[in-house]
Amino acid sequence: DARVTQTPRHKVTEMGQEVTMRCQPILGHNTVFWYRQTMMQGLELLAYFRNRAPLDDSGMPKDRFSAEMPDATLATLKIQPSEPRDSAVYFCASGFTQPQHFGDGTRLSIL
Amino acid sequence: EDQVTQSPEALRLQEGESSSLNCSYTVSGLRGLFWYRQDPGKGPEFLFTLYSAGEEKEKERLKATLTKKESFLHITAPKPEDSATYLCAGSQGGSEKLVFGKGTKLTVNP
Repeated sequence: DARVTQTPRHKVTEMGQEVTMRCQPILGHNTVFWYRQTMMQGLELLAYFRNRAPLDDSGMPKDRFSAEMPDATLATLKIQPSEPRDSAVYFCASGFTQPQHFGDGTRLSIL
Repeated sequence: EDQVTQSPEALRLQEGESSSLNCSYTVSGLRGLFWYRQDPGKGPEFLFTLYSAGEEKEKERLKATLTKKESFLHITAPKPEDSATYLCAGSQGGSEKLVFGKGTKLTVNP
């Protein structure tokens, strides 16, 4: 079965460092989503793209987060500078219409 | 504001003990209601999409139903391997964005 691939699976770094998370969507899918999951808030949508164009990033802290799709096979989510409150699991999902299919996430810990 | 609320937060069942999980939603112009299963350390795995009131879908021991205000995930004669967190999400008409509930953590004891 085709899967969404996310790297790295785990990341531990110190406050203030830049963090880059990568996602390879399923081939043929034209929409890509970034979510953040925490115990308190659950799954929250940060941003999404259709055909590589950003459609909505209203869920993302603009001052430190950025999301891009350099090409159809790669989506990136960057945090600079990182803060302890950014510690969470970040998921990428892709789809063609619905449903969305998720990767296994990047577990991020900011010390 | 669009909201999806799931209950209970956690549910413990004995193997073979059937039950239902609830998902109530206030999503204007609901386009679809989605159920996902999430295992520890994994991403959500798609189970079902429901589009209109009265619709039902089944997969093995799971059956999802939809009314105008809520959806139910019925689990018949569950097994320990059904233990997971079940997530419900709604999408608004004209958008691919999903609003997720916080999930029901199901534990099935042998």
